[in-house]
Amino acid sequence: AQKVTQAQTEISVVEKEDVTLDCVYETRDTTYYLFWYKQPPSGELVFLIRRNSFDEQNEISGRYSWNFQKSTSSFNFTITASQVVDSAVYFCALSEAHDMRFGAGTRLTVKP
Amino acid sequence: NAGVTQTPKFQVLKTGQSMTLQCAQDMNHEYMSWYRQDPGMGLRLIHYSVGAGITDQGEVPNGYNVSRSTTEDFPLRLLSAAPSQTSVYFCASSYRDEQFFGPGTRLTVL
Repeated sequence: AQKVTQAQTEISVVEKEDVTLDCVYETRDTTYYLFWYKQPPSGELVFLIRRNSFDEQNEISGRYSWNFQKSTSSFNFTITASQVVDSAVYFCALSEAHDMRFGAGTRLTVKP
Repeated sequence: NAGVTQTPKFQVLKTGQSMTLQCAQDMNHEYMSWYRQDPGMGLRLIHYSVGAGITDQGEVPNGYNVSRSTTEDFPLRLLSAAPSQTSVYFCASSYRDEQFFGPGTRLTVL
């Protein structure tokens, strides 16, 4: 079965620092999707990005960027110039034919 | 569009009680699913449905039942609640593998 590992349980940074959240996945399928979600203190799950297994292009969206490397089975997430509002739990997830598995999450605290 | 809605938002049960968590979506998505979120474990898939009349088990299905009589609704039933089912429950619907999550139901079983 597929598996997602987020080795960083908690990260604390000072505002304006860059921070990278790591995600490593395991799968036997060649077709799959990778996701990142944000869960702020209010508890809802906010979709950030989806990538399919055939698209290894890195993506940038404002202060957010994602690095997908199939060779290392990693899908890392970088926040540039972090802000206090970025404080949340971030989940990486892997989906194979609707079977979605989440990592345990990384709690990011950005201090002013 | 309301998206994915869940009721109730909070619920306290006693061990052995039964209840149904409601989930509805108005996006006409065929695929719906239920997850539970426990501290330090991320979200785990309980049951899912690929369309009306079709359901299947996920990673942690024991103690839960589901049915899918319409495209819009996907209720989750706890027949005999146990303290181990204390958790936050999220319902989701998806289109092309993008999941849209409901706001969650926080369930406590005493």
